[in-house]
Amino acid sequence: NAGVTQTPKFQVLKTGQSMTLQCAQDMNHEYMSWYRQDPGMGLRLIHYSVGAGITDQGEVPNGYNVSRSTTEDFPLRLLSAAPSQTSVYFCASKVGGPYGYTFGSGTRLTVV
Amino acid sequence: DQQVKQNSPSLSVQEGRISILNCDYTNSMFDYFLWYKKYPAEGPTFLISISSIKDKNEDGRFTVFLNKSAKHLSLHIVPSQPGDSAVYFCAAREDRDDKIIFGKGTRLHILP
Repeated sequence: NAGVTQTPKFQVLKTGQSMTLQCAQDMNHEYMSWYRQDPGMGLRLIHYSVGAGITDQGEVPNGYNVSRSTTEDFPLRLLSAAPSQTSVYFCASKVGGPYGYTFGSGTRLTVV
Repeated sequence: DQQVKQNSPSLSVQEGRISILNCDYTNSMFDYFLWYKKYPAEGPTFLISISSIKDKNEDGRFTVFLNKSAKHLSLHIVPSQPGDSAVYFCAAREDRDDKIIFGKGTRLHILP
């Protein structure tokens, strides 16, 4: 039982490049979310999904796309990377209802 | 507009004493509150939670208090230990769409 797995752990992009951050969970959780952590800003919700085929925007969705074709996977796509997207990205999953998220170990992204 | 506020960016406490971390919220639709602990280069880990129908929840050295009328919760750690040095995030779940919103975090330093 690996929990929530994020790849890659580190990535450097040039401005304007696109990439996909991968997230997979093996706990059969319905809910998955992406958060970004920036100094002094805490964890901010980017996008979330309540099940396969269903996604919705969080607090800071601009510049990011998501899709949820399976229960296990929830990739985050950066369409055209900008320096403002330099951050640590966390994927998380949970069951529906009043329960907390299980987080992955994060992807540290630098956009130059 | 910040819905979950942690107004103290950092807190220093002597080992063995009580650590009190505070959190305020503005959204009356929050029905479940959580505290997460985060070490550097790791994902956040769930610590303790409380339902909005309760005013206290205890788990070992950790106690969370909820004052709904004041829209305030606090995390008490007694006694504080060196391993408690970390960033603590307060989070809240919105019942309507099951989103979980985080505060900016408080860095706790336990002094020897």
